[in-house]
Amino acid sequence: EAGVAQSPRYKIIEKRQSVAFWCNPISGHATLYWYQQILGQGPKLLIQFQNNGVVDDSQLPKDRFSAERLKGVDSTLKIQPAKLEDSAVYLCASSRDRGKSDYGYTFGSGTRLTVV
Amino acid sequence: AQTVTQSQPEMSVQEAETVTLSCTYDTSESDYYLFWYKQPPSRQMILVIRQEAYKQQNATENRFSVNFQKAAKSFSLKISDSQLGDAAMYFCAYRSETGAGSYQLTFGKGTKLSVIP
Repeated sequence: EAGVAQSPRYKIIEKRQSVAFWCNPISGHATLYWYQQILGQGPKLLIQFQNNGVVDDSQLPKDRFSAERLKGVDSTLKIQPAKLEDSAVYLCASSRDRGKSDYGYTFGSGTRLTVV
Repeated sequence: AQTVTQSQPEMSVQEAETVTLSCTYDTSESDYYLFWYKQPPSRQMILVIRQEAYKQQNATENRFSVNFQKAAKSFSLKISDSQLGDAAMYFCAYRSETGAGSYQLTFGKGTKLSVIP
């Protein structure tokens, strides 16, 4: 099966600009996650979707970050306006069974964002 | 909230030797899953091995095995016969329920493993 697709792979923007990341999960995976991975740290969950509904967005900085999954398939994560501390890798992951899969989640290769 | 701690920021091992990466976690749950993921420079997280807390037997996957100590809340990864391709970041992860019948992974900060030829 095809993996989790993410684009772009790299993005460089100036602070206060906006940026959007795209994720296409594995076909049939109803659960989708966005993680933020700052250099030297482990991934931190930003938001979790079940189909097109939000399950958990408690760690999403809602004043500048937004995410949607309108048709329950692709998802977009947006940052507006970006800050220097948003520089990180943004990972998308998907799973069956509401994330209860015994085999963990399938991750994409991420988007590396640099804010200058 | 569950926390996952990896106390070794960096480790190195000679090729063909054995290395153990440490992980501890904090939880009040009795049944849960633990995972080790590998992240090479390509950035994609790759599942290495998993362990269900309910099972007492330590999981093994080829050269990878775990030492799961439930009472101590410890979950270490042993890599035997280390190969150059094992060089990567390794993350320990805990699967927790969100309370809405869904689950999510909480990761440690990772251990960077270098393999010396």
